[in-house]
Amino acid sequence: GAVVSQHPSWVICKSGTSVKIECRSLDFQATTMFWYRQFPKQSLMLMATSNEGSKATYEQGVEKDKFLINHASLTLSTLTVTSAHPEDSSFYICSARVPNRLDGYTFGSGTRLTVV
Amino acid sequence: AQSVTQPDIHITVSEGASLELRCNYSYGATPYLFWYVQSPGQGLQLLLKYFSGDTLVQGIKGFEAEFKRSQSSFNLRKPSVHWSDAAEYFCAVGANPSGNTGKLIFGQGTTLQVKP
Repeated sequence: GAVVSQHPSWVICKSGTSVKIECRSLDFQATTMFWYRQFPKQSLMLMATSNEGSKATYEQGVEKDKFLINHASLTLSTLTVTSAHPEDSSFYICSARVPNRLDGYTFGSGTRLTVV
Repeated sequence: AQSVTQPDIHITVSEGASLELRCNYSYGATPYLFWYVQSPGQGLQLLLKYFSGDTLVQGIKGFEAEFKRSQSSFNLRKPSVHWSDAAEYFCAVGANPSGNTGKLIFGQGTTLQVKP
C-alpha cells in the first residue's frame, strides 16, 4: 500500500519547451506532496511542498515561475518545468505524506529530465 | 541549523564483510530519523526509521541502525553485505510525520560498492 506513481520515468525535451511531470497517489489521499531535485551523485534537494488546494511553498532559491507546481486533487500533484534549459536537466523525485502511517512518506520512482 | 551529515561519500566493502554507514544530524526538535536506499535511476526505498523507544531499530534486508542522542548519530549497520546491497544510501531527519510540517532533510548520501 501507499504507492506513488510518477510519470514519465524519463523525458527528453528541446530547450525552451515545457515539461510536465505527474505524481499520483494510487491507494491513498495525499494532502501533502514534496518535490525534490537530485543532481548526479548528490543528495535530494527539496524544491517545494505542495498542499492540496493551496499554493505550493517553495524553498529558498527555487524559481516558482519556472517550476510550476499544481496539487489540484488529493491524488495528483504535477511539476511543470517551464521554458526548460539544459541546466534544468536533472532527476526529479516526488514524495507524498502517508496519513496514519508510521513510516510517513513514500517516494515516486523519479523522472530523468534531459534538456537538449 | 537543521542538517544531516554523512561523512563517507564512498565506501567499498567485500561481500560478506560487515558494514557501517555513518550519519550525524543537527535538529532543533525531536528528530525522526530515516535511512533510505536508492538504486541507480530509481526512487527511494525505506530501510528503517526511528521515532522513539528502543534505540536499536531493525529494518529490511538485514539492516539495523542505532540512535545515539548524545552523539547525534544514527549509524546504519549490516553484519554481512551482499552484492545486491550496492547502491546509494541516504540518511534523513524530519519532524513527526503526523504533524503539519513534514519535509525531510537528507544527507549527502553514501555510495556503497561491494567487491566480490
